[in-house]
Amino acid sequence: QVQLVQSGAEVKKPGASVKVSCKASGYTFTSYYMHWVRQAPGQGLEWMGIINPSGGSTSYAQKFQGRVTMTRDTSTSTVYMELSSLRSEDTAVYYCTKSAADAFDIWGQGTMVTVSS
Amino acid sequence: QSALTQPASVSGSPGQSITISCTGTSSDVGSYNLVSWYQQHPGKAPKLMIYEGSKRPSGVSNRFSGSKSGNTASLTISGLQAEDEADYYCCSYAGSSTFDVVFGGGTKLTVL
Repeated sequence: QVQLVQSGAEVKKPGASVKVSCKASGYTFTSYYMHWVRQAPGQGLEWMGIINPSGGSTSYAQKFQGRVTMTRDTSTSTVYMELSSLRSEDTAVYYCTKSAADAFDIWGQGTMVTVSS
Repeated sequence: QSALTQPASVSGSPGQSITISCTGTSSDVGSYNLVSWYQQHPGKAPKLMIYEGSKRPSGVSNRFSGSKSGNTASLTISGLQAEDEADYYCCSYAGSSTFDVVFGGGTKLTVL
């Protein structure tokens, strides 16, 4: 079945970077765009950016420009999201989600990233 | 882009119908027929319920329906059931010169 499996929870200090992985299976990895969405504790969903697994092109939300980098490895059907210069406000659950028909049809289980000194 | 506007909470009794509104602008909801809706239970990942404004993915109950008028999209749930109690988020494409996506702030549905 189609699924996205993300890496485990992370605890980071302010100023550090975190890299979250998302491994896809059950479909042709290069045929569908992948997005990253985050959710701070008790808050709503926030779109971070998109990557085209085929060519690797990306587009990021203005809020994260300069701090986020999305990459992919087609040999392992995995996308990555790296967020740098972490601050406490970046504490959130980070989701990868596959898009189809201009909607997010499959979601990863989420990765909790905690930023704390 | 600013977040889309949703009511913070709505409630209804089992069997009743409720509607959740999602108000955007002419730059997002009003310009594209690309509104989607997501259901999220506590501690779980969101689930796609409606895409392209009114289409249901395979496996989603026909009790869920979507519509749009101008800059406002709506999600209607008929025949409320206990398991419908969850948070609901609307989402719209909002790009013009660059790709952009905006979510609503979320609505907590309580089934009384």
